[in-house]
Formats: sequence, structure tokens, C-alpha cells
Amino acid sequence: GQSLEQPSEVTAVEGAIVQINCTYQTSGFYGLSWYQQHDGGAPTFLSYNALDGLEETGRFSSFLSRSDSYGYLLLQELQMKDSASYFCAVSLNTPLVFGKGTRLSVIA
Amino acid sequence: DTEVTQTPKHLVMGMTNKKSLKCEQHMGHRAMYWYKQKAKKPPELMFVYSYEKLSINESVPSRFSPECPNSSLLNLHLHALQPEDSALYLCASSEGQGSYEQYFGPGTRLTVT
Repeated sequence: GQSLEQPSEVTAVEGAIVQINCTYQTSGFYGLSWYQQHDGGAPTFLSYNALDGLEETGRFSSFLSRSDSYGYLLLQELQMKDSASYFCAVSLNTPLVFGKGTRLSVIA
Repeated sequence: DTEVTQTPKHLVMGMTNKKSLKCEQHMGHRAMYWYKQKAKKPPELMFVYSYEKLSINESVPSRFSPECPNSSLLNLHLHALQPEDSALYLCASSEGQGSYEQYFGPGTRLTVT
């Protein structure tokens, strides 16, 4: 089976940097994806890591360590609109398996 | 066009009703999905279609019946639902069944009374 662990809630100040961690246990692993979902909205794809290291896309970066079965999403220069739920998801030889999600609240 | 559309946006139905949810994509994706999502929970996979054929059914009750009329369309037929089936139903598509990037529709908010 597969399991993913991420914090249920994180609060951060506008303009700050926040890191959302994800650890996983899977049999077979291709990569780690991150999705954002605003309340009442649909999940949207943010980033994907297949190899170890950091991927940067604007204010968002994602990191993967395959040897540690660990990844994180880094959000810089936080804005109020970043308040949302963030899901890590593992790619196996099957459809994505989603973590339980981290609810990020950005406060002024 | 990188959009997945879903209709209706909201649906209220009684436990004896029959209704259908519809999903459409024009990105040429060969995999399409139905998810159920409860509040503050992750999307829960229900069905996967790959090349218009049902490839995965996650032990979903038979009161939910999927259909893929063609490569762009996905339906979910609902019959004799229970109040606990009230949820957001999301459709998604991707290039292939194992793709890491899925495109989600806005969902149908279903309430069963």
C-alpha cells in the first residue's frame, strides 16, 4: 500500500516563506506532484519532481529526496491568495495517490 | 484549450431520483477520472477510463455508474443515492493513466436529500 504524510494545517504571515513537507511510503515510485486547491475550487497542478533536487516555478519551489522518501513545497513572498489546501501526490504505475492535504492560512 | 468542463455545477436530488453528471475535455487526453471529495478531505478516486475503457473501479457502489461515450466525454449516472453521497464530484483528465499532471474540472456540488 501507499501512505503520504503532510501537516494538516500551517499558518504564515503575508510576505514570509513557508515550507510544506510530505513524506511517503510507496511500493514503486515515479515522482512527487503538488496540487493547490482553493475553497470551492478544483485542484490545480503546481509542480512535479521525478529526480532529486529543487524545481523552481516563480514563487513556488518543490524539492525531492528519493533516498529519504521526502519532499517539500516552498512558497515565497506569501500572498493572501496563497491561502488554500496543498496536496502532495505520488506517481506510481497507477493514477496519482493524494496525501490528506495541508491547509495554509496566510495572515496579515 | 486546457479546460475540463463539468455540468451541472450544483445538483440537488432525492434518494429515488436518477441524474447524470457530465464532463468534457478537448485536450486529446486518453485518461479520464471521477473523484469524490468531502469537505477538508483529499480527492478520492472512484473510476478511471483509459482509451475509453474502464480500467479502474475503486470498489464504488453500483448506484454510481460511469460511462465514456467517446474520448472527450465522461458521464457519471446516479441512481438511488444516499445522503452520505453528498459531496463535490470532480472530473479530471490526463495524457495517460499514470501521468503526474491531471487537469481537473470545477466539479459538481451534489446534495442528496
